[in-house]
Amino acid sequence: GDSVTQMEGPVTLSEEAFLTINCTYTATGYPSLFWYVQYPGEGLQLLLKATKADDKGSNKGFEATYRKETTSFHLEKGSVQVSDSAVYFCALSPGGGSNYKLTFGKGTLLTVNP
Amino acid sequence: GAVVSQHPSRVICKSGTSVKIECRSLDFQATTMFWYRQFPKQSLMLMATSNEGSKATYEQGVEKDKFLINHASLTLSTLTVTSAHPEDSSFYICSAPGEGSHYGYTFGSGTRLTVV
Repeated sequence: GDSVTQMEGPVTLSEEAFLTINCTYTATGYPSLFWYVQYPGEGLQLLLKATKADDKGSNKGFEATYRKETTSFHLEKGSVQVSDSAVYFCALSPGGGSNYKLTFGKGTLLTVNP
Repeated sequence: GAVVSQHPSRVICKSGTSVKIECRSLDFQATTMFWYRQFPKQSLMLMATSNEGSKATYEQGVEKDKFLINHASLTLSTLTVTSAHPEDSSFYICSAPGEGSHYGYTFGSGTRLTVV
């Protein structure tokens, strides 16, 4: 079945540091890939997405590129801020639209210190 | 954009009582709603999938009689935790798919349930 593996963390960085959170996946067909962010005490918010190979999703300075050859969707940000402290989830949805069930990674807790 | 309103955000109940959690899609019709439980160290577990007008589909290991899911309309899905026990204390989150599987999913803000 489908699966998502991401860095478990926790990850602790200083403000303005470079961030990478690795995510790899296993899926049949052509899944859509997502990064979600969860701030303390809240639900999940879509951060960015990519629906086909070589697509780059970007939002709020975060980027991730859908790499089919390496089955990866690593999240990056050039300069993190304290406000980026949150849990980040990598997820996939099977292609074709017939099954909407999301498969999540286990989440990575990011803490950014001033 | 699409919004899913989840209530209550926090609830404390006594052991043995039941608690109902509601999720409403505010500006779109959600024919499907996913219910998750989030464990410590952030891991998300899909509990069940509710479909408007039909019975919910539960994941393996989830007790159907304990976690009652109803999807009575295109904008409302409810999860009722029956005869709650302290081990049911958790963070519950609902989610509805967007337009097509490529458009992501909209999540409710979550419900922190504490059973005392």
